[in-house]
Formats: sequence, C-alpha cells, structure tokens
Amino acid sequence: GNSVTQMEGPVTLSEEAFLTINCTYTATGYPSLFWYVQYPGEGLQLLLKATKADDKGSNKGFEATYRKETTSFHLEKGSVQVSDSAVYFCAFNTNAGKSTFGDGTTLTVKP
Amino acid sequence: KAGVTQTPRYLIKTRGQQVTLSCSPISGHRSVSWYQQTPGQGLQFLFEYFSETQRNKGNFPGRFSGRQFSNSRSEMNVSTLELGDSALYLCASSLEQAGGSDTQYFGPGTRLTVL
Repeated sequence: GNSVTQMEGPVTLSEEAFLTINCTYTATGYPSLFWYVQYPGEGLQLLLKATKADDKGSNKGFEATYRKETTSFHLEKGSVQVSDSAVYFCAFNTNAGKSTFGDGTTLTVKP
Repeated sequence: KAGVTQTPRYLIKTRGQQVTLSCSPISGHRSVSWYQQTPGQGLQFLFEYFSETQRNKGNFPGRFSGRQFSNSRSEMNVSTLELGDSALYLCASSLEQAGGSDTQYFGPGTRLTVL
C-alpha cells in the first residue's frame, strides 16, 4: 500500500549546520510530493512541493528534488537557524484524492 | 483571505460521550479533509469531503463520521468516545481536491482530551 518513510528523529543541530531529512515513498502512479512544517501549537503549513519527476521545490532556503528513480524527496537546507526548529512532514497526494503523511521528524536547532 | 478555522480549539470529554468538531475552509475551497494526529500514530487520514459528498475515507471505525454543508463548512463527529480518541484533530482545505497537486491548507486543530 501507499506509505511514506521519513528519517527518524529527533534531529538536533547547531545553528548554521547543514540539514538533510530523508524521505522515501511507496505509491502507485505519479504522486505529487510535499514537505509540510508544523511549529509548536499550530497546524501544518506547506513548506515546498514538487509535482513531477526531477522538479525541485524550494522555499525559505529549503530544497527538495523529486527523484522518481529512487522514489525519494529528501529535504535539505544549507544553514539552519534556531527559528527552523519544528516538526517536518513528508507527504504525497495520489490521483485517488487521499494524502499520505510520514511520521514527522522533529528538528531542534541550538544557538 | 482568512485561513482555515477550527472550533473549538480545546475540548475535554469523558468516555462514552460524543463530540462534534467544526471546520471552516478557506473561502472558495471545496475540498475538506480531516486528520487525527497523535504522538504514537502520527498523522492519520480520516476522510475527505468534496461538494457535500464523502469522497475518500481512511481506516477508522464507524464511530467517526463527518459531513459537509453547501457552504463547504465541515463537521466531524465522534460517538462513544474512548480514551484512545484523545488527539489533535486537524482539518485541511484545498481548492479542488485533496489529491493531485493541490496544496492542503491546515487549520490550527482541535485538541480533544478524553478522560
């Protein structure tokens, strides 16, 4: 069945460190891929997305590339800030109209 | 544009009771999805409504139900509450459908505690 596997957390980094959060998916067809972020006490909000193979989504210094051959959509940022501390969710949508989310990865950035 | 709103934000109930949660989508959005978020199970899809019809359903028991009104506002109902129903319930709306390339816009959630 459909599933998303995310790198387990929690992840703790120092400010200005490089971030990678791995995400792989299992889905039928050609899903659209998303990264959402959830700050404490809030709902999820879209961070970036990619809708077809080799597309790169980017926002606020975060990037992720849709890799169809490896069914992956790894999230990266070159230099994290304390304000990036949050929970990050990888997700995909299929044409069936149902979204599947990963378990979330908690990132803590220390000054 | 106003974002997705959910009411109430916090709710405390006892086992066996029932509860109704409300969600108002972004103006113009016709699809509304509901999710249950718990520390142990992560984010689980409950159901999606589009134009007043349930279009997709997750793997939850029949105690969980929902509906959508003609103005796209949605409610979800949980009957005969169990302790395990304690969770953050998130509502999300999108322009056309929850599937495909449309982004989902989430509300802040309703925190339900069952005692």
